[in-house]
Amino acid sequence: QVQLQQWGAGLLKPSETLSLTCAVSGASFSGYYWSWIRQPPGKGLEWIGEINHSGNTNYNPSLKSRVTISVDTSKNQFSLKLSSVTAADTAVFYCAGPITIPWGQGTLVTVSS
Amino acid sequence: EIVMTQSPATLSVSPGERATLSCRASQSVNSNLAWYRQRPGQAPRLLIYGASTRATGVPARFSGSGSGTEFTLTISSLQSEDFAVYYCHQYNSWPETFGQGTKVEIK
Repeated sequence: QVQLQQWGAGLLKPSETLSLTCAVSGASFSGYYWSWIRQPPGKGLEWIGEINHSGNTNYNPSLKSRVTISVDTSKNQFSLKLSSVTAADTAVFYCAGPITIPWGQGTLVTVSS
Repeated sequence: EIVMTQSPATLSVSPGERATLSCRASQSVNSNLAWYRQRPGQAPRLLIYGASTRATGVPARFSGSGSGTEFTLTISSLQSEDFAVYYCHQYNSWPETFGQGTKVEIK
């Protein structure tokens, strides 16, 4: 059974860097792209970006200047960093994989001074 | 960026009735279109991918159709767990984009 398990800090101050990690189990890590998606409270879904096992990335232009997605193939994990966060970055962040794989459980990240 | 527009924003339906949700893309996404259901406090659950293929374990009351720029999700007989928000998602072009959602509420 394929599972995506994610973790990371849930409370940040403005200007800090958000850091989340997602571990993939039960699926081949290679050959696919692995994504991050976010959802502000009460709002819709925004695709942040993706990475494959070789480290090739695609980012949403709206966030590209602040986003870094990296991969650790030895652990079947991929990570998200979002720099210089503000209150507008408060959201539930999800990790995701190929279209048929269930998303991670979500992590609420709150940015507040 | 491809803009996905869902209609209606809110759909009021009685249990057991049929619901039809629409999604329009600002340019062709071929059949690279998925539908998700999201209940409060939960992650979105995949219902349909490839515009018309039901995901594993999804009941037959859910069906998807369309290609190019016009897509439809039909729920043939609404159950209590179907009162939720539904999102369409194009994964044809970067950046991937989502519709703003259709809320299906109890009439």
